[in-house]
Amino acid sequence: ETGVTQTPRHLVMGMTNKKSLKCEQHLGHNAMYWYKQSAKKPLELMFVYSLEERVENNSVPSRFSPECPNSSHLFLHLHTLQPEDSALYLCASSQEGRGQHYGYTFGSGTRLTVV
Amino acid sequence: AQSVTQPDIHITVSEGASLELRCNYSYGATPYLFWYVQSPGQGLQLLLKYFSGDTLVQGIKGFEAEFKRSQSSFNLRKPSVHWSDAAEYFCAVGGSARQLTFGSGTQLTVLP
Repeated sequence: ETGVTQTPRHLVMGMTNKKSLKCEQHLGHNAMYWYKQSAKKPLELMFVYSLEERVENNSVPSRFSPECPNSSHLFLHLHTLQPEDSALYLCASSQEGRGQHYGYTFGSGTRLTVV
Repeated sequence: AQSVTQPDIHITVSEGASLELRCNYSYGATPYLFWYVQSPGQGLQLLLKYFSGDTLVQGIKGFEAEFKRSQSSFNLRKPSVHWSDAAEYFCAVGGSARQLTFGSGTQLTVLP
């Protein structure tokens, strides 16, 4: 497989459930990202893992918890979500270099619905 | 702080007509600039990118974009639109840091 793969493609969960989103990249990149895409809003950067360092958007609620066990895998653990968390969650990867920005490769996303 | 503005929320063109999608950015130095396209239910696909050099950049699917420093713009163009180009288009800016800032997107509708 090539590129960035996200599973599941669709997820419906209750507000008391715990679930995880998975992302895997086969590009040899050294940075991975989680973005949230809600209707009529700009893409919102949630978390960045770069060279084993985590950077997060301070506005992301603690009910979202990322995990990056290695440079190829990224998880987003979800618990006690709210209906307003329903959105398309996109994973991306990139190759970081000194002073360079090569752009992202995105996965197809997980469509999350919280009921 | 870097920012991106896409002034047009929705654009409608006829198939075969030319297309221009606008993008204005704010960044303190020479930015890295990108255009992405998103089809319904899909992730974002990179169309083209500008780092330096020639200000007219060619991308995939017949798209091109021109970097104009004096206008802080990076507009996307296509001479003849196909029905399959209907999608949402995002402009993004990045600096030496790893993060990209995206615009709000422009939804393109193509009429037969």
